[in-house]
Amino acid sequence: AQRVTQPEKLLSVFKGAPVELKCNYSYSGSPELFWYVQYSRQRLQLLLRHISRESIKGFTADLNKGETSFHLKKPFAQEEDSAMYYCALSGSSNTGKLIFGQGTTLQVKP
Amino acid sequence: GAVVSQHPSWVICKSGTSVKIECRSLDFQATTMFWYRQFPKQSLMLMATSNEGSKATYEQGVEKDKFLINHASLTLSTLTVTSAHPEDSSFYICSASGARGFRTEAFFGQGTRLTVV
Repeated sequence: AQRVTQPEKLLSVFKGAPVELKCNYSYSGSPELFWYVQYSRQRLQLLLRHISRESIKGFTADLNKGETSFHLKKPFAQEEDSAMYYCALSGSSNTGKLIFGQGTTLQVKP
Repeated sequence: GAVVSQHPSWVICKSGTSVKIECRSLDFQATTMFWYRQFPKQSLMLMATSNEGSKATYEQGVEKDKFLINHASLTLSTLTVTSAHPEDSSFYICSASGARGFRTEAFFGQGTRLTVV
């Protein structure tokens, strides 16, 4: 079965602290993994995708096929990082169809 | 570029009436659009995949007669919630699939909050 699991509903950290948002997936083929972010009252937007291997706004995520994980990390959290983060999976054909995790609210306190 | 617009942003309707939600890709052609439903503090659940000029493909458990999807052009897909009931109250989000460079990417609308009273 195709599934994305984000075990934490809420992650609260202080500004400047490291952040790791966990994501595990279940997929029989070779999926493409994404992180989407939704800031307050804004639409969902792509943060990064595993094939790009980019660092966006200081966030990185490495696909670990052995552990079927795609955790999102940032060494020093900023208050403006406070948002809802969704891990998502797309099949190998990547038509744009996404399976989302439950989402994790990141709260960065001053 | 790559803007997806949903209309309306919110709607309140009476139980038993039908509501139409539009999803438009403003500056690109979207052969495929997706409709999601999001309950409060929960994830986005894919309802259906909409391809231009053909019938939508519904996910398991989604009533196709309840949620009518039409994708008549490359820039417009509509979701009609027929005979709405309070349990249909939710946040509905569409996404449109388009090419960004050589990659396919999904661009999301701002969502429509439906409240059935």
